[in-house]
Amino acid sequence: KAGVTQTPRYLIKTRGQQVTLSCSPISGHRSVSWYQQTPGQGLQFLFEYFSETQRNKGNFPGRFSGRQFSNSRSEMNVSTLELGDSALYLCASSLESQGPKAYGYTFGSGTRLTVV
Amino acid sequence: AQKITQTQPGMFVQEKEAVTLDCTYDTSDQSYGLFWYKQPSSGEMIFLIYQGSYDEQNATEGRYSLNFQKARKSANLVISASQLGDSAMYFCAMREGFTGNQFYFGTGTSLTVIP
Repeated sequence: KAGVTQTPRYLIKTRGQQVTLSCSPISGHRSVSWYQQTPGQGLQFLFEYFSETQRNKGNFPGRFSGRQFSNSRSEMNVSTLELGDSALYLCASSLESQGPKAYGYTFGSGTRLTVV
Repeated sequence: AQKITQTQPGMFVQEKEAVTLDCTYDTSDQSYGLFWYKQPSSGEMIFLIYQGSYDEQNATEGRYSLNFQKARKSANLVISASQLGDSAMYFCAMREGFTGNQFYFGTGTSLTVIP
């Protein structure tokens, strides 16, 4: 069974540019969540999509946006990149992500973004 | 206030020995879930163990067990018979309530297993 696939694995961008990251969930999973991981701030929740609708959003500026397609694949976009956006961006998918148990919640290997 | 606190930035353990990684949490919800994840250098978050707030027994998964003390709001991970492959970052995390749909993570503990 294929896991959560994130592309690309590594990315180098220049300040001011924009970037789009992709996440393909496990087949049948309708929920996709995104997290940012940095040495300073740790793991922080960005947003969650379920059936193409954003259900929850973390405390990030509007430069961070996302969307989910009808096949549950999700993209995350960061515009006007800043040096502080350098991070590992993790995507996770699940059957249903509401509630304390998070059935089948599975993370991808992440996209490591470096902004220079 | 931090929802998840991990006070051990780094830990060392001898191979084949047991080790306890500490985690305390803060929530006012009655229903919540506590998780431990392992993150090797490759970056992927690997699920280890889950404890629900209403579970009366401590969770166990192979060599992993969760020491759940609800009154103290602690959820410590115990790894028995440590192996070299256990060297990684370990994160404690929590989900709240029946409508909660995000994880709150601690800052992690770096575990090094010494041969």
